[in-house]
Amino acid sequence: DTGVSQDPRHKITKRGQNVTFRCDPISEHNRLYWYRQTLGQGPEFLTYFQNEAQLEKSRLLSDRFSAERPKGSFSTLEIQRTEQGDSAMYLCASSLGVQHSGANVLTFGAGSRLTVL
Amino acid sequence: AQTVTQSQPEMSVQEAETVTLSCTYDTSESDYYLFWYKQPPSRQMILVIRQEAYKQQNATENRFSVNFQKAAKSFSLKISDSQLGDAAMYFCAYRLPTGNQFYFGTGTSLTVIP
Repeated sequence: DTGVSQDPRHKITKRGQNVTFRCDPISEHNRLYWYRQTLGQGPEFLTYFQNEAQLEKSRLLSDRFSAERPKGSFSTLEIQRTEQGDSAMYLCASSLGVQHSGANVLTFGAGSRLTVL
Repeated sequence: AQTVTQSQPEMSVQEAETVTLSCTYDTSESDYYLFWYKQPPSRQMILVIRQEAYKQQNATENRFSVNFQKAAKSFSLKISDSQLGDAAMYFCAYRLPTGNQFYFGTGTSLTVIP
């Protein structure tokens, strides 16, 4: 297992275009998270999946954002009609969904950096 | 709402010396988990150390240790014998046992001076 993989690593797009990011989590992890990180800030929670079910979404996730995790494996995060304010690093992380356990830690991917011109 | 505060945007330390990074958090819960994550430049974030709030003993991982003060809601990270490879952004994070969200601070940028 090579850890959490994200693709593409960098994406430059023009305002109004749609972009899609892909995340491949650690295979035995049933939870998958998307975070957004802007310069000088810590990661901000966007959404998370347990297996294929999207169980929680942040208010940060506007209607232009959609995430899927078909079959509970890889996940995609799509941003429609991108805006300059969407420019950020989009981080994917996965974990074992073990509540009441310190074992539930996040393993992050390297991130997908989005620049909207 | 849970908040995590890192009041030191930047810190520096001489190689081989010791440095302490501060973190405070706000919660009304008695049981939770705390973490320090490291994000090297242009590389992925990795877990440095974690602490369960119900454990009084401070966690230690090799050169990294924490000073967990539950009453003060403080969770500082001490790095001993600092190495050049310790240079990175360090994020403090909080999670409830039943929660699915990890709450992160704004980070501290650590520079290690040769």
